[in-house]
This record gives sequence, structure tokens and C-alpha cells, in this order.
Amino acid sequence: EDQVTQSPEALRLQEGESSSLNCSYTVSGLRGLFWYRQDPGKGPEFLFTLYSAGEEKEKERLKATLTKKESFLHITAPKPEDSATYLCAVLPSGGYQKVTFGTGTKLQVIP
Amino acid sequence: EAQVTQNPRYLITVTGKKLTVTCSQNMNHEYMSWYRQDPGLGLRQIYYSMNVEVTDKGDVPEGYKVSRKEKRNFPLILESPSPNQTSLYFCASSSLAGELTNEQFFGPGTRLTVL
Repeated sequence: EDQVTQSPEALRLQEGESSSLNCSYTVSGLRGLFWYRQDPGKGPEFLFTLYSAGEEKEKERLKATLTKKESFLHITAPKPEDSATYLCAVLPSGGYQKVTFGTGTKLQVIP
Repeated sequence: EAQVTQNPRYLITVTGKKLTVTCSQNMNHEYMSWYRQDPGLGLRQIYYSMNVEVTDKGDVPEGYKVSRKEKRNFPLILESPSPNQTSLYFCASSSLAGELTNEQFFGPGTRLTVL
């Protein structure tokens, strides 16, 4: 069974204090790993897709990296508007298109 | 504007009363999916569809039905709702690049309460 574990559950940062969120996964084979951002009361919003170990993607203050067992979402010099819950999801290889999400990391950036 | 719409946004019902939550997308996406989101459990996939007339079970399909008669619509049906189906429901869609699933676009959510 595919599993995705995100840590920490919650993270509180001062504005400008860089940090990383972790997503550990167990799948028989990985077709893709996704990062989403979710604001309270809204649907998740896509950030990145990573397909193979060693791959990195960046968007503004966010950088996602991927190894064979985990992914990191690095947040550099965060701002209060980066406060949200960040979700990780995996799509296994094979003929299915069943996506498994982690429970998320709730990030709060304090001015 | 590219979007996924869901209706209703809020629904309070009673045990056993059949209901349908509609989902529609205007992006001509092949892939559509339903999720439920519960505190501490995260987003869990209920059903997904690769194209018209093609549906498959996700992780928590019990108590739900879906149909995909048109490409743009993917309704979620609860034949006999029970209190444990009280949750926040999201519909999502994405294009398919070969066999890969691209980013999913999510609807605004439907908050369902079953008394």
C-alpha cells in the first residue's frame, strides 16, 4: 500500500527564517510526486511535479527536491503570505492513476 | 476562466436521503477525481476517471458512486448517506500527457454534514 508521511505537522517561522518541509513516501514505483498549497477553506493549488530522483524545481521562495525515498520543500526567507498548509502527493507507476496524499504541514509565518 | 465548479458548496442532510454533488470542468480534461478531506486523515481519493465511461476506485470508495457520461461532468452520488460521510469533498481534474497525470485543478469544495 502506498504511504506518504509529512513532517512536521505544523511549523511556525519568523518572517525571513528559512526552513524545509519533509515528505517521505513508500510506493512500489514512483511515476510522479506533487506538491500543493492549500489555504483555509479552499481547494489545493498546484505547486510542483517531480518525476525522478535528483530533480529540483523552483518557484519564487519555494524549491522542491526529490530523492528515492523523500522530497523536501525548501522555503527561503518566507513571508506571511506563504502561510498555508502544504500537501505532498504521490502517483505510483503501473496502469493505475490513484493518487495518495500526505496529511500536510501547516506553515505559519509570523511578521 | 479555467475552473472546476462544484455544487452545492454546503449541504446538511439526514441519514439515508440520497444526494448528488455535481462537478464540472471547462478545461477539456480527461482525468477527473473525487476526494474527501478529514482532520488528521488528509485528502483521500474516493473515485477517479480516466475518460468518459471509465471510472475506478480510489482508497475509500465504500458508500459512494460516480458516473462519467460526459467529459466535463463527474457527479458524486451518495445513495444512502451516513454520519461517517460528513466531510469536506473536493473534485479535481487534470489533463493526461501520455500516461502521466499532470497537475490537478481542484474545485472549491463541498462541505457535507449528515445528521
